[in-house]
Amino acid sequence: GIQVEQSPPDLILQEGANSTLRCNFSDSVNNLQWFHQNPWGQLINLFYIPSGTKQNGRLSATTVATERYSLLYISSSQTTDSGVYFCAVSDYKLSFGAGTTVTVRA
Amino acid sequence: DTGVSQDPRHKITKRGQNVTFRCDPISEHNRLYWYRQTLGQGPEFLTYFQNEAQLEKSRLLSDRFSAERPKGSFSTLEIQRTEQGDSAMYLCASSTAFGLASSYNEQFFGPGTRLTVL
Repeated sequence: GIQVEQSPPDLILQEGANSTLRCNFSDSVNNLQWFHQNPWGQLINLFYIPSGTKQNGRLSATTVATERYSLLYISSSQTTDSGVYFCAVSDYKLSFGAGTTVTVRA
Repeated sequence: DTGVSQDPRHKITKRGQNVTFRCDPISEHNRLYWYRQTLGQGPEFLTYFQNEAQLEKSRLLSDRFSAERPKGSFSTLEIQRTEQGDSAMYLCASSTAFGLASSYNEQFFGPGTRLTVL
């Protein structure tokens, strides 16, 4: 199956800081999604981004499909950004990375 | 669009009991997926349906697990003779996609059912 590696595994930020999360995947894929998992376990869709660049408020993402990686950027971080961020890739079923746990301190 | 819903949200059971979970997908979505997530890990694929047809089952889905999607609407996941290793979050997702390798297949997740087997 497709292997998905996320880095770093843990990230501690001061409120207001910027950060970059990385996702590497082992094979070409049709779909790539970024999720934020809240403390109650709900996976919130951040981006559907099989290629290119998208922005949504303070978050943006870039996927370079030919080089098999994606980046998630968080700018001006807030405490509400804390949680686990997952990258997942698929042709039909999603294969998830292990996640990056982000802690934003006030 | 009310999103994907799951019921119950939490289930505590004793080892050996049977449990059943329900998932209601987004109404116009033809695909429905089940995933399982254990503590500290990303979700892992269990099975998926296109309309009422179950198209793939993971090797994680032992013969104690069965899933159905009658009439291509809601789905149920049943676990028979539960074991402590079944304790996990069970997540349901849905999408609109056509063909085995659709060029668009954004999946939307429900809130999950957290199972604890004592």
